[in-house]
Amino acid sequence: KQEVTQIPAALSVPEGENLVLNCSFTDSAIYNLQWFRQDPGKGLTSLLLIQSSQREQTSGRLNASLDKSSGRSTLYIAASQPGDSATYLCAVWGTSYGKLTFGQGTILTVHP
Amino acid sequence: EAQVTQNPRYLITVTGKKLTVTCSQNMNHEYMSWYRQDPGLGLRQIYYSMNVEVTDKGDVPEGYKVSRKEKRNFPLILESPSPNQTSLYFCASGTGGRTEAFFGQGTRLTVV
Repeated sequence: KQEVTQIPAALSVPEGENLVLNCSFTDSAIYNLQWFRQDPGKGLTSLLLIQSSQREQTSGRLNASLDKSSGRSTLYIAASQPGDSATYLCAVWGTSYGKLTFGQGTILTVHP
Repeated sequence: EAQVTQNPRYLITVTGKKLTVTCSQNMNHEYMSWYRQDPGLGLRQIYYSMNVEVTDKGDVPEGYKVSRKEKRNFPLILESPSPNQTSLYFCASGTGGRTEAFFGQGTRLTVV
């Protein structure tokens, strides 16, 4: 059974710092990996989708990398801002069609 | 605007009283899915559907029913809700079972 782990569980940084969020998964036979953002009381917003054939994907200040063989993905946020404060979730699409498995998330706080 | 719409956003009900949470998407997506989010347990998949009249169990299907009679709608039915079904529920849709997923705003359900 696929298990997804995110480290750290919580992170507090001053504005302007570059930061890295980590995601690991136990079964490397994944198809795609998706990063989401969740604001308190809100739904999930898709940030990036990395296909299994890709090594990384970029959107603005966000860069996500994927290493299937080691079962890891990282989300890099450049020049963090208070508006980046949210919970970041990693999820993997595995071999079972239609099943999306989530990590527990990293709660990010960026203070001015 | 492309979106996944859930109703209601908030619901308080009593044990045993049947309820339905609706989910509708306007993106002509074939794939739809339901998740529940609980503190310490993260997001867990309840049911998913690959197309009209095609549904399958996720990781926590007990106590829930779904139907997919139309492509755009995927209601979640609780025939006899119990307090352990108090949770935050999310509906999602996508073009396929391993492609980018888009989530609704969530339904906070309390069963007393």
